[in-house]
Amino acid sequence: DSGVTQTPKHLITATGQRVTLRCSPRSGDLSVYWYQQSLDQGLQFLIQYYNGEERAKGNILERFSAQQFPDLHSELNLSSLELGDSALYFCASSPGGLGYTFGSGTRLTVV
Amino acid sequence: AQSVTQLGSHVSVSEGALVLLRCNYSSSVPPYLFWYVQYPNQGLQLLLKYTSAATLVKGINGFEAEFKKSETSFHLTKPSAHMSDAAEYFCAVSDAGGTSYGKLTFGQGTILTVHP
Repeated sequence: DSGVTQTPKHLITATGQRVTLRCSPRSGDLSVYWYQQSLDQGLQFLIQYYNGEERAKGNILERFSAQQFPDLHSELNLSSLELGDSALYFCASSPGGLGYTFGSGTRLTVV
Repeated sequence: AQSVTQLGSHVSVSEGALVLLRCNYSSSVPPYLFWYVQYPNQGLQLLLKYTSAATLVKGINGFEAEFKKSETSFHLTKPSAHMSDAAEYFCAVSDAGGTSYGKLTFGQGTILTVHP
């Protein structure tokens, strides 16, 4: 157990739907990062939050959004889902820069 | 902008043989470098990291990597492969001292196969 908890582990949904992925960081970690892993794109950085504020944005689609709550957990919202959004979505946390710890991921399948 | 190139998407070795996984990076600022391992259906586990201290970094499970600035490389090695080393390995770079606030840029990964 890495200390970073992601739920659900698996998610199957239809095209056009909306889903929410949840991440609880390690206790005390203020930074949360979201990454997408797919066969064609590899591991891509999506977005980072630090203590509730957005800090950096990567290749995140406009249909995707995220937020970090006061208790530091984070949610990644994916809407108008397409087949190409099928991927593993990882959350990582760190105290404030280096020392990333990854969760075990949420496998999203869009059918 | 930063980038990472992992040379060889697949590497196959015999059990007991040397493991060498190659990684070259590009960074406009002094980099922090990482190697992660991913076992099937699992998340990413940190093997080791370079953060501008010693250039030879020792990690878990007998792995080590050497930072060579002149060659912009951070190759991962293990003297003797074990069957349990079979996994996918990712090299990553972060310019935590810059404006990226520590996000990682990953290479495409190298799948290591270990034969008995």
